[in-house]
Amino acid sequence: AQSVTQPDIHITVSEGASLELRCNYSYGATPYLFWYVQSPGQGLQLLLKYFSGDTLVQGIKGFEAEFKRSQSSFNLRKPSVHWSDAAEYFCAVRPTSGTYKYIFGTGTRLKVLA
Amino acid sequence: GAGVSQSPSNKVTEKGKDVELRCDPISGHTALYWYRQSLGQGLEFLIYFQGNSAPDKSGLPSDRFSAERTGGSVSTLTIQRTQQEDSAVYLCASSAGHLQAFFGQGTRLTVV
Repeated sequence: AQSVTQPDIHITVSEGASLELRCNYSYGATPYLFWYVQSPGQGLQLLLKYFSGDTLVQGIKGFEAEFKRSQSSFNLRKPSVHWSDAAEYFCAVRPTSGTYKYIFGTGTRLKVLA
Repeated sequence: GAGVSQSPSNKVTEKGKDVELRCDPISGHTALYWYRQSLGQGLEFLIYFQGNSAPDKSGLPSDRFSAERTGGSVSTLTIQRTQQEDSAVYLCASSAGHLQAFFGQGTRLTVV
């Protein structure tokens, strides 16, 4: 079955520290990959996406993610976290053809300590 | 409009009543999605519309849930005989085919 796993439900980091949020997927073929962020009371905002090509993708707000086919992973990273990064982060996959249904992970809630 | 618009932003209803949630997608976007986000949960797929194709309704949790999309634009999600377990945030998204989905702010539904 197709699924997305975000193993960390909560993560706490200090402001200025580096961050890595994990995402693993189970899919028949390499899908399109996305990271979205949701601030409290808000909808989801796209941080970055991977369709093809360079496996290291840059996104907004200083985030990047690396696609590793051998590990079926698409981890999100940021070298220095800001207090405003506190939010919930969702990894998602979508097939490259046919139905464009997104499958989301359960999310990782990030807390940033001042 | 510039983004996906959902209304109402909040809805409180009594158990057993019907509710309608509205989504205005980004103009020109052919794909429209409904997801449900329950407290502490991820996003649960409900239904997906793509152009004039038959919608993918595989995520609707029961026959109390239905959705339509009129004229390839506005969509309405209807929940009949609401139950307390229907309380959640209902998110709508639209996309231009294979590109990324853009999400609305959601409708928070509370069934009392």
